[in-house]
Amino acid sequence: EPEVTQTPSHQVTQMGQEVILRCVPISNHLYFYWYRQILGQKVEFLVSFYNNEISEKSEIFDDQFSVERPDGSNFTLKIRSTKLEDSAMYFCASSNRGPGNTIYFGEGSWLTVV
Amino acid sequence: GNSVTQMEGPVTLSEEAFLTINCTYTATGYPSLFWYVQYPGEGLQLLLKATKADDKGSNKGFEATYRKETTSFHLEKGSVQVSDSAVYFCALSDPDNYGQNFVFGPGTRLSVLP
Repeated sequence: EPEVTQTPSHQVTQMGQEVILRCVPISNHLYFYWYRQILGQKVEFLVSFYNNEISEKSEIFDDQFSVERPDGSNFTLKIRSTKLEDSAMYFCASSNRGPGNTIYFGEGSWLTVV
Repeated sequence: GNSVTQMEGPVTLSEEAFLTINCTYTATGYPSLFWYVQYPGEGLQLLLKATKADDKGSNKGFEATYRKETTSFHLEKGSVQVSDSAVYFCALSDPDNYGQNFVFGPGTRLSVLP
């Protein structure tokens, strides 16, 4: 069964460093998402991406965050200058149709900022 | 705006007990409703979904019925197993409100004891 894959599964980084989290969405999907989950808290929407541009972003997704689809398969989340509060599990997700339809999540990338 | 409320955990049950996890929602449109499950150390997996009123989603012995009159989507299972121990997230996706992507409830942690 097709699945969303994410790398790395776990990354530890120093505060202020740049981090890139990578995702390979399901191959025929057109809508891509990043969510995050701070330990023990709810799953929060960060950004959605469709047709090579951001379609929606939350308040969390400020100027230190960016997303890119550099080729036909990868979808990346970059955090420019990490802060301690960026420590969280980051989930990539994809969907073959827009709002109202199932989105499929990857296993997550656990980011620890020290 | 759209929101999801679900019963706070943790919920602890003995094996073979009956499970109910309550979920209610607020939405401006006609959302699709979902239950996702997160097993320890893993990502979010779709458990079941319902896309319109009175639909019943079911999977792995779990069921939930989309009740528009009570704006609810309660998760039930007749006989839980130890392997059902996980965090369960209720979520909605509103096809009429593109600005609100998937909205998750806070999650309910279920522990099933042998």
